[in-house]
Amino acid sequence: DSQMTQSPSSLSASVGDRVTITCRASQTVGNFLNWYQQKPGKAPKLLIYGASSLQSGVPSRFSGSGSGTDFTLTISSLQPEDFATYYCQQSHSTPLIFGGGTKVEI
Amino acid sequence: DVQLAESGGGLAQPGGSLRLSCVASGFTFNNYWMHWVRQAPGKGLVWVSRINNDGSSTSYADADSVRGRFTISRDNSKNTLYLQMNSLRVEDTAVYYCARDALPTVAGDAAHDYFDSWGQGTLVTVSS
Repeated sequence: DSQMTQSPSSLSASVGDRVTITCRASQTVGNFLNWYQQKPGKAPKLLIYGASSLQSGVPSRFSGSGSGTDFTLTISSLQPEDFATYYCQQSHSTPLIFGGGTKVEI
Repeated sequence: DVQLAESGGGLAQPGGSLRLSCVASGFTFNNYWMHWVRQAPGKGLVWVSRINNDGSSTSYADADSVRGRFTISRDNSKNTLYLQMNSLRVEDTAVYYCARDALPTVAGDAAHDYFDSWGQGTLVTVSS
C-alpha cells in the first residue's frame, strides 16, 4: 500500500503569504493525487485533482504540481478563509490513502 | 444542488452493531460510485469502503481495520448508501462521511477514487 507523508504537519503564516505544502508517496502514484481543505467541524472540500487540475469553483490562488512520488500544494497569497487543514490523497489504487494533514494557522 | 445526508450514528457498545445511511439528492445516484470515509476525533481522514454504481463491486480498507466487519451496500431505488458495521471496536469511534466519486460512470467503468461531494458526517461512538 502506498503511504502518503505530508510536511509540515503544521505551519504558521500570515495573510498574503505564499504557502507550500508537500506530499510524498511511498511508491509512485502517477498523477493520481488530490488535495482537500477541511475546516473545523466541516466536511472536506476538493481543491485539486489529478495533481494539478483546479476543481470548479476553487480560487486560482490554489495550485498543485508534481508527479510520481512528490507533490506540492501552493497557496499563492493566503487569505483569511484559507486557514484550515489540508490533506493529500492518492487515487492510484486501493486502499485509497490520505496524508496525515497540514494545519495552516495564523 | 448535490446533497448527501448521513444518519444512523450514535453510541454503541464494543462488539455491537450500527447501520449508517446516506440519502443522496440533486444528482442521478446510480451514475456514481460511492464511498465512506471516517475521521477519528482530532485525527486525519481514512477511507473505509467504496461501491460501484449497481452494487455489484465493493472494496474495503485493509483487513486489520474494517474488512470482514463492515459491509457497504446501496439501494438505488431509494437513492441511499449504507454501511453496516458489526463487531464494533473502540477504535471505530469516528465521524463517518459518505462521499461521491468525482465523475459519473456507466456500469462496468472504474471508479475515479476522489471525492467531489461529501455529507455532513455522522458520529459513531463505541464505548462501554
